[in-house]
Amino acid sequence: KNEVEQSPQNLTAQEGEFITINCSYSVGISALHWLQQHPGGGIVSLFMLSSGKKKHGRLIATINIQEKHSSLHITASHPRDSAVYICAVYMDSNYQLIWGAGTKLIIKP
Amino acid sequence: DARVTQTPRHKVTEMGQEVTMRCQPILGHNTVFWYRQTMMQGLELLAYFRNRAPLDDSGMPKDRFSAEMPDATLATLKIQPSEPRDSAVYFCASGLVLLAGYEQYFGPGTRLTVT
Repeated sequence: KNEVEQSPQNLTAQEGEFITINCSYSVGISALHWLQQHPGGGIVSLFMLSSGKKKHGRLIATINIQEKHSSLHITASHPRDSAVYICAVYMDSNYQLIWGAGTKLIIKP
Repeated sequence: DARVTQTPRHKVTEMGQEVTMRCQPILGHNTVFWYRQTMMQGLELLAYFRNRAPLDDSGMPKDRFSAEMPDATLATLKIQPSEPRDSAVYFCASGLVLLAGYEQYFGPGTRLTVT
């Protein structure tokens, strides 16, 4: 079993829909990172969080440390949101980063 | 606007040749990572440095790969000799260690093709 699991693996939705991507982990962590990789290959950091909730524009990230679960939400989704979204956790023992496999999101106009 | 730079952006080489990839981390960042991304494996951590010292290179095939930070503004990843299975995108990222982890800023990547 992978230490970081993302779901779904693939998600196709219509423009305007509310999107949720989930990340569950099995190790003790000090923080969790959400990143976005566009079809062109560039990787961008979206959020780093260790508790509660963060919001940036139409993106919202939440984390529940007790349940070892984080979600990334996109409100009013747009085709330009189409990308792979990756969850990564920092192990609290050594700050090593463990990556999820990513969720491929396609937003259709 | 500060960013991580990587050179070259694309490299095509023949099997057996030496490949050197370079990364300039964001000024002031004290941690540098090298990742490899393939379709099959996703993102794999190859090595990371803190304050120029290698902390973990267990993800790197030691017989052919080497990673160094000759100074705070330059990190290098070398493959010698290169093999077709090394074909991948190699990302460098830098970060500033905070208490609970650190934001990583990724470079644009070097797309390596070994024929």
